[in-house]
Amino acid sequence: QKEVEQNSGPLSVPEGAIASLNCTYSDRGSQSFFWYRQYSGKSPELIMSIYSNGDKEDGRFTAQLNKASQYVSLLIRDSQPSDSATYLCAVNMKKGTTDSWGKLQFGAGTQVVVTP
Amino acid sequence: GAVVSQHPSRVICKSGTSVKIECRSLDFQATTMFWYRQFPKQSLMLMATSNEGSKATYEQGVEKDKFLINHASLTLSTLTVTSAHPEDSSFYICSARDREAEAFFGQGTRLTVV
Repeated sequence: QKEVEQNSGPLSVPEGAIASLNCTYSDRGSQSFFWYRQYSGKSPELIMSIYSNGDKEDGRFTAQLNKASQYVSLLIRDSQPSDSATYLCAVNMKKGTTDSWGKLQFGAGTQVVVTP
Repeated sequence: GAVVSQHPSRVICKSGTSVKIECRSLDFQATTMFWYRQFPKQSLMLMATSNEGSKATYEQGVEKDKFLINHASLTLSTLTVTSAHPEDSSFYICSARDREAEAFFGQGTRLTVV
């Protein structure tokens, strides 16, 4: 089982619709969760961080966290062609590391394609 | 968010030569920086964790003598790919974590070894 799992996609979303991305993780002790957006040939860009159960909204993005079920999701409302990218889920894991900050483990990413 | 600057953005070198990549945190001090490698259509692979003033911690399977990491100050870490070969061609990305433990990435370095 991978430590952080995402569907690879591609996830095709009509312009204006909601894109829903899911991520599950294995370390139940994880406390910090992040979503990154990566355009082709570019480095990842942090778009959301979430630490508590529930929803966190920032503009068109909403992150949802459920620690009991060990999943975190990202919703993109009113999807635009510029949202077409790969979205990486990252989980800060304490397990298996001596780093007091934990180790940031990335999923393989979900490719999102927004069609006009 | 915090700014991490990576240089160069693109480099082409001959097989057998060495290449140095710099990673700087511009508006915060980063005691820890991370180096990743990413092959086309694959996810980020953590290579090593760079700790200021101490030796880097390498992930399993990463040759520490080939990928030399120096973290001499709180704002600068360097990765040197020694005796580069075509299979080392990849996208190398550094990141640094701020006080909130959020990780910010440099622009990445596209290395091509010919």
